[in-house]
Amino acid sequence: DAGVIQSPRHEVTEMGQEVTLRCKPISGHNSLFWYRQTMMRGLELLIYFNNNVPIDDSGMPEDRFSAKMPNASFSTLKIQPSEPRDSAVYFCASSFGGADTEAFFGQGTRLTVV
Amino acid sequence: GQQVMQIPQYQHVQEGEDFTTYCNSSTTLSNIQWYKQRPGGHPVFLIQLVKSGEVKKQKRLTFQFGEAKKNSSLHITATQTTDVGTYFCADSGYSTLTFGKGTMLLVSP
Repeated sequence: DAGVIQSPRHEVTEMGQEVTLRCKPISGHNSLFWYRQTMMRGLELLIYFNNNVPIDDSGMPEDRFSAKMPNASFSTLKIQPSEPRDSAVYFCASSFGGADTEAFFGQGTRLTVV
Repeated sequence: GQQVMQIPQYQHVQEGEDFTTYCNSSTTLSNIQWYKQRPGGHPVFLIQLVKSGEVKKQKRLTFQFGEAKKNSSLHITATQTTDVGTYFCADSGYSTLTFGKGTMLLVSP
């Protein structure tokens, strides 16, 4: 298996633009997580899906952020409009079972908003 | 999820020295997971502890879960340069996987 696949690996965008990050979890995994990592705040859980249903979205910063999981093999995280403070590395992770099983992380998307 | 505090934030050791990072919570944790992230990389799962007082070993790494399930530790014996990275603990329940801020380990040869 190729592992969790995220795209793009790097994204540079101007403030105000829409940004879409993509994630393909490991086949057969039914839990998917989106995290944001910065030096100041560490690894923050944004949203957790189980069987394509959002279970915990309390970490989503504000209305500018939205996440979808239309099927078991694909998820998106959208930021509209983007702001410089959204600059971070965004990780997607998946696991087989609930959040209490081993999570496999993708390589991450480094987002820079200028 | 629970807020987990990790100490120290950063540690620099000489190769061969031991290293310990601690994870603490003010409330009872469901389970605890440990991850390692190499510089420029992504977090990689090391282990999960479930039972009160549990101790698990992986070669030079020893993981411990406190009796009250409010703290955990990771101890590395005789560090090597390959141990460099940030070590995270995470509170893992059925509906949450919440990370501490991590301890960055630097090892000088």
